[in-house]
Amino acid sequence: AQKVTQAQTEISVVEKEDVTLDCVYETRDTTYYLFWYKQPPSGELVFLIRRNSFDEQNEISGRYSWNFQKSTSSFNFTITASQVVDSAVYFCALSEALYDYKLSFGAGTTVTVRA
Amino acid sequence: NAGVTQTPKFQVLKTGQSMTLQCAQDMNHEYMSWYRQDPGMGLRLIHYSVGAGITDQGEVPNGYNVSRSTTEDFPLRLLSAAPSQTSVYFCASSYSIGGGDAGELFFGEGSRLTVL
Repeated sequence: AQKVTQAQTEISVVEKEDVTLDCVYETRDTTYYLFWYKQPPSGELVFLIRRNSFDEQNEISGRYSWNFQKSTSSFNFTITASQVVDSAVYFCALSEALYDYKLSFGAGTTVTVRA
Repeated sequence: NAGVTQTPKFQVLKTGQSMTLQCAQDMNHEYMSWYRQDPGMGLRLIHYSVGAGITDQGEVPNGYNVSRSTTEDFPLRLLSAAPSQTSVYFCASSYSIGGGDAGELFFGEGSRLTVL
């Protein structure tokens, strides 16, 4: 069984601060995918990033970066220099490689960026 | 390009009533699915389909029915609504299974259902 845990329920920061979202996962599979999705106040869900289990290289994409550590089963996500538009619920998700369309989501972390 | 369209956006039902949430996508995606979102629980997979004529159960299928007669449409039926089915429902689709686009789901805007 797969499980995704996002221990942080809510995070509140002032604009321009960095925000790091924690994600810990459990899976018996050796090959899998990890994701971050964003749900702004308007309600739609938007795909942000994907990482497969073979690639532990951490990356930066604009103001987003992620830290994947297989040894600790963690997939943390950082927003650098946060902006008000980053206010949203962020979901970490996991899927088996063979069933990559079946995602298991964490409970979500609500990020509020204050001006 | 409309993407994934869900209707209705809001619905109030009485216990025991049945209804269908509609989902349509115009991206020729193979994979479609339904999730429900509840506070503190994230999104949970109800049913999914990997192509026309093929459906399967997700994590929380009880009380729901689906069919996939065409590539475009994937309706979700509530057979006899219960208060526990009060939730926000999301339909999602993906244009490939496996490969470089793995897990990149396109979501509809959601349907908020209240069962009294």
